[in-house]
Amino acid sequence: QVQLVESGGDVAQPGKSLRLSCVVSGFKFESFAFHWVRRAPGRGLEWVSSISYLGASVSYADSVRGRFTISREDSKSSLFLQMNSLRPDDTAIYYCAKGLSGADNLPPHLWGQGTLVTVSS
Amino acid sequence: EVVMTQSPAILSVSPGERATLSCRASQTVHTNVAWHQQRPGQGPRLLIFSATSRVSDVPARFSGRGSGTEFTLTIDNVQPEDFAIYYCQEYQHWPPTRTFGQGTKVE
Repeated sequence: QVQLVESGGDVAQPGKSLRLSCVVSGFKFESFAFHWVRRAPGRGLEWVSSISYLGASVSYADSVRGRFTISREDSKSSLFLQMNSLRPDDTAIYYCAKGLSGADNLPPHLWGQGTLVTVSS
Repeated sequence: EVVMTQSPAILSVSPGERATLSCRASQTVHTNVAWHQQRPGQGPRLLIFSATSRVSDVPARFSGRGSGTEFTLTIDNVQPEDFAIYYCQEYQHWPPTRTFGQGTKVE
C-alpha cells in the first residue's frame, strides 16, 4: 500500500527553523521526483519546492528561495524540507507529494495527509 | 508568469447532476494541465493530467477537456463523495510561479 507520511510540523517563532520529513512506502522511492506543496488557512494550494530523481534538479518558489532547502535520502525513502527564517506567512499545512515520474516538472501524483506548521510569536 | 483562473469559485449541484468546472490560463500551456481534488481534512488527489488523461483509479464520471488556454473538468452524475475543492494546475512553465488555480468548491 502506497503511503506518504509527513511529520515535523510544529509551532515556531518568527525567525526560527523547522525540518519537515516525509517517509514513503509502497513504491520505489528512488525512481520518482517529489514535491512540497502548502495550503495556508483559508487559501488554495501553493507549490513550494520540488526535487527530481537522484536530486539532480531542485526548484523553489520565490517566496521560500534562500530560506527553505529540499533534500532526499533514497536509502531511507525519505524527503525533507529544512525551513529557516520562518515568517508568519509560512503558516500552512505542508503536503509531501510523489511526482508522476522522475522528472520534477510533472504534476504531483500521490499526496500525503499533511503536517501543520504555525509561525507565531 | 502564467496565471490560472478558475470559475466559478463555488458551484452548487445536487447528487446525480453534472458539474462543469472551468480553468483559464493567461497564456498557452498547451495540454500541460492537471486537476486535483481535495476533500475536507484530506490531502489532495490527482484526477487528470495532460488535460484529458484520467488517473487509473479515478472513476470514469470524471473527464477533462481543453488545450491552449481553456480547460474544463466535468463530473457526470455527481456522487456525495465528490463534494470537495478542485484545483487546476499548469506545468508547461517550470519552475512555476503560480502553478495552481485558486480552486472551485463543489457543494
